[in-house]
Amino acid sequence: SSELTQDPAVSVALGQTVRITCQGDSLRSYYASWYQQKPGQAPVLVIYGKNNRPSGIPDRFSGSSSGNTASLTITGAQAEDEADYYCNSRDSSGNRYVFGTGTKVTVL
Amino acid sequence: QVTLRESGPALVKPTQTLTLTCTFSGFSLSTSGMCVSWVRQPPGKALEWLALIDWDDDKYYSTSLKTRLTISKDTSKNQVVLTMTNMDPVDTATYYCARINTHGEYNWFDPWGQGTLVTVSS
Repeated sequence: SSELTQDPAVSVALGQTVRITCQGDSLRSYYASWYQQKPGQAPVLVIYGKNNRPSGIPDRFSGSSSGNTASLTITGAQAEDEADYYCNSRDSSGNRYVFGTGTKVTVL
Repeated sequence: QVTLRESGPALVKPTQTLTLTCTFSGFSLSTSGMCVSWVRQPPGKALEWLALIDWDDDKYYSTSLKTRLTISKDTSKNQVVLTMTNMDPVDTATYYCARINTHGEYNWFDPWGQGTLVTVSS
């Protein structure tokens, strides 16, 4: 299968920790990358590889992976972290890519 | 600074062919390892990967859309062009281009263009 499945929505209290998961067979072979998308804006890379943050991404964002599941954790969620989050990886062929179904994060 | 910008028609009619152009700066698609991809997002829905082209002119397409898609590059103009045939209202979406970066076993999409909304309607 070349699908990546995410929970549709999660909520987190301000300052608390939330984990967003992404499941798919291709994750056993390839690392995931994660993207934050706010309404009306283009996606922004937040995590890639084992656990790498691009310049400018706060260190409260971290990534991990085990088996067929990749996770994005926000430790100490802020109001500005409220957004849609998508995972991505190569598909099982290794030549194409697939995005996850997306998770809407609400910060309460 | 790497930037990408999408351009193309905002409105196309059903059955027509859509042609989108991604104009980029800050890198050359003739440099080994460089790759540009197209991604779309219907209103209120998830991102969908469409196609990529790399520095070696290798091209890969979404398996579900490959019969309708063609991707090409013009290295001298720093442009990547995507055509999609037989457009349908379900193809209404914001279309993004992005650079795919590769480092060892890591791959990531960054940066992205701002996207262009294409509406399919008669």
